[in-house]
Amino acid sequence: AQTVTQSQPEMSVQEAETVTLSCTYDTSESDYYLFWYKQPPSRQMILVIRQEAYKQQNATENRFSVNFQKAAKSFSLKISDSQLGDAAMYFCAYRSLPGTYKYIFGTGTRLKVLA
Amino acid sequence: DTGVSQDPRHKITKRGQNVTFRCDPISEHNRLYWYRQTLGQGPEFLTYFQNEAQLEKSRLLSDRFSAERPKGSFSTLEIQRTEQGDSAMYLCASSPKRVYNEQFFGPGTRLTVL
Repeated sequence: AQTVTQSQPEMSVQEAETVTLSCTYDTSESDYYLFWYKQPPSRQMILVIRQEAYKQQNATENRFSVNFQKAAKSFSLKISDSQLGDAAMYFCAYRSLPGTYKYIFGTGTRLKVLA
Repeated sequence: DTGVSQDPRHKITKRGQNVTFRCDPISEHNRLYWYRQTLGQGPEFLTYFQNEAQLEKSRLLSDRFSAERPKGSFSTLEIQRTEQGDSAMYLCASSPKRVYNEQFFGPGTRLTVL
């Protein structure tokens, strides 16, 4: 069975600085998707970034980028120029391809942004 | 608002009572998912519908849990004979029929069982 591990329960970053959130996963499959979701306090989860396993190029969305290391089964999220609005729980998620459409989530990392 | 909506947002019930939650997905999304999230944890998959068919169901979903999606539109999640361990946030998500299947989440229903 696939598992997703986020080993950092909490991280802090100074406003305007860069922070990297870690995620590792375990799977025997070769095709899958990986996601980072953001869950602000008392608000719904929103997608931050997505990576297809067959793509070697790391995904980038504005200030958010990933470092996808398929062989190491690592999928970290880098947030550049951190803003106060980035404060939230961040969840790493895995989805098999093809077949099941369910996501497997990690336990999350709480990101605090310090002014 | 064209996002995923859930009702109610909060539910407090006594142990042994039945509760029902509703999820309205984004229009034309044919896939709908239910997850449960407890404090300090990530969402755990409960069940998944494609249109009106329930295609996958987690072992977490005991006999006391049932979900429906009549006519492939809104969905309901019912918990019978609630237990204190059922206290959690119940999240609904929907996704369109696309390869990468991005899931759009609703705000959740927070259940407290006394």
